[in-house]
Amino acid sequence: NAGVMQNPRHLVRRRGQEARLRCSPMKGHSHVYWYRQLPEEGLKFMVYLQKENIIDESGMPKERFSAEFPKEGPSILRIQQVVRGDSAAYFCASSPTGLGNQPQHFGDGTRLSIL
Amino acid sequence: DQQVKQNSPSLSVQEGRISILNCDYTNSMFDYFLWYKKYPAEGPTFLISISSIKDKNEDGRFTVFLNKSAKHLSLHIVPSQPGDSAVYFCAASVEGDNDMRFGAGTRLTVKP
Repeated sequence: NAGVMQNPRHLVRRRGQEARLRCSPMKGHSHVYWYRQLPEEGLKFMVYLQKENIIDESGMPKERFSAEFPKEGPSILRIQQVVRGDSAAYFCASSPTGLGNQPQHFGDGTRLSIL
Repeated sequence: DQQVKQNSPSLSVQEGRISILNCDYTNSMFDYFLWYKKYPAEGPTFLISISSIKDKNEDGRFTVFLNKSAKHLSLHIVPSQPGDSAVYFCAASVEGDNDMRFGAGTRLTVKP
């Protein structure tokens, strides 16, 4: 499967626990984007990463959220001390370049539910 | 700040007819526009795009129109098919910018 792979597809956590969401970009893509979709809303940009670098994290909440894209392995979106309001679908997208004039290719998302 | 707006949350059309989905934007710096289609439990799939130097782009049954003066774009699907039933997101970006802005989506239902 050459598409963007996200896992897990569903993740259930209790309040206060940590959530780790993984994203493997399409083959040949070195630019990764994370989005969050709340119920009945569109996708909200969170963070843009290249290998080993965070390029733009302007959409990321200042606390509890972090992202990385190591030299080897998938990109990770980490949410510490989760709260009910973190329940959402989290989508990862990738592109071959970081130019704004190319489509991003999306994974099927991770649905995070906080009990 | 809702820079991209899809004011119709839902649209229902008969199979074989035209579907017209609309999108408005406020940021005049946007120069690249896209439509994505999303089925339940799947990620958005890229459908068609248009750059600001054009006012129309066509791909099979799908045509996107851009009216820069009105800051409006639309997606036309002709003829509509039941398999087109999905949520359609409009998105916009500025070349060189990392932040692609999405609308809230329009749920299209095509009735057989």
